[in-house]
Amino acid sequence: NAGVTQTPKFQVLKTGQSMTLQCAQDMNHNSMYWYRQDPGMGLRLIYYSASEGTTDKGEVPNGYNVSRLNKREFSLRLESAAPSQTSVYFCASRDQGVPQPQHFGDGTRLSIL
Amino acid sequence: AQKVTQAQTEISVVEKEDVTLDCVYETRDTTYYLFWYKQPPSGELVFLIRRNSFDEQNEISGRYSWNFQKSTSSFNFTITASQVVDSAVYFCALSGPARQLTFGSGTQLTVLP
Repeated sequence: NAGVTQTPKFQVLKTGQSMTLQCAQDMNHNSMYWYRQDPGMGLRLIYYSASEGTTDKGEVPNGYNVSRLNKREFSLRLESAAPSQTSVYFCASRDQGVPQPQHFGDGTRLSIL
Repeated sequence: AQKVTQAQTEISVVEKEDVTLDCVYETRDTTYYLFWYKQPPSGELVFLIRRNSFDEQNEISGRYSWNFQKSTSSFNFTITASQVVDSAVYFCALSGPARQLTFGSGTQLTVLP
């Protein structure tokens, strides 16, 4: 039972490079989320997908794009990485209905030089 | 707009002491959900509890207990007889109208042997 799987776990990029973070869940959840975690700021929502085929902006969407490829997969793309995007990125998924807890992946630690 | 405040940035206690982590929230919704998550040094996020706005009963689970008070918009978390393994960052979170989570900035708990 993998739950939510994120790849890669670590990545170093140079400013201006592009990259896609992958997320897949095997729990048949409808909703999926991308957060970033910065020191002292908790987790902030970047984008979410309430169901397959829909995506919406969260609190900090600038500089990111997402794709809900199918029910299982939700990717996050940085088109032109900036040092301010150095962070730990978490993907999460949740079952529908009465707010169920979100299940989180183990995170991707991204450094942009 | 929703907001979650965890005013305690860091707390340090000696093993076997009791410790309370504070959480204060703001929301205009009449129905909402509150969560606590634990993030141990390994980095993953572990769901601890969910509470809905209609249920103000306190809850106890082993050494953990939660005190929800709507009148003061607080959802505090107490660990009784703390252990070294309780050392982690603890996040309080509030569900929004589209069911995405708004997180507090977290409290780093260190339990010393």
